[in-house]
Amino acid sequence: ETGVTQTPRHLVMGMTNKKSLKCEQHLGHNAMYWYKQSAKKPLELMFVYNFKEQTENNSVPSRFSPECPNSSHLFLHLHTLQPEDSALYLCASSQDGQGDEQYFGPGTRLTVT
Amino acid sequence: AQSVSQHNHHVILSEAASLELGCNYSYGGTVNLFWYVQYPGQHLQLLLKYFSGDPLVKGIKGFEAEFIKSKFSFNLRKPSVQWSDTAEYFCAVNAFPTDSWGKLQFGAGTQVVVTP
Repeated sequence: ETGVTQTPRHLVMGMTNKKSLKCEQHLGHNAMYWYKQSAKKPLELMFVYNFKEQTENNSVPSRFSPECPNSSHLFLHLHTLQPEDSALYLCASSQDGQGDEQYFGPGTRLTVT
Repeated sequence: AQSVSQHNHHVILSEAASLELGCNYSYGGTVNLFWYVQYPGQHLQLLLKYFSGDPLVKGIKGFEAEFIKSKFSFNLRKPSVQWSDTAEYFCAVNAFPTDSWGKLQFGAGTQVVVTP
């Protein structure tokens, strides 16, 4: 248990659905991250939030929409996804985001049908 | 663009064998270096990290890594593996100041299988 929780753990959605992934960290950290983990590919950083402000958008398609209402919560809103978006989505947090250690959640396994 | 390379995608070895996983990165400036591990069905967790100082760093579960700046490498080692070391291992780099705040570049991972 790392202090970073993600819900749901598994999600199956159609291409026309709208769903949201939730991440919560109980570590008092100020930076939060979304990553995409696909088979046989490096982890891809999607978004970075520092003190609730988005500081990195790694050329992510607009069908992924992040939201960070406070330093403890991070959401990833999904709409009109494609089958190639099926992957494990990981949330992470770190103390201050200056290249320090990140703590990862267990991930949400997303399948787009 | 900066990249992180892990030389082996799959490694199979027997218990008590020694393990060394290679990691090279392409950035020549100041770097923070990490090895993460993902055990089957579990979350990514930190094995060890290097920020500065002694280039030989020790982590959890008997792992260590050596930062060789001239070779842009940060190889992971364990003298004697156990079956419980079966996992996927990821090298990650944060390059200062090129990488934006908090950005980690990950390698593709090495799947290690330890046989009894």
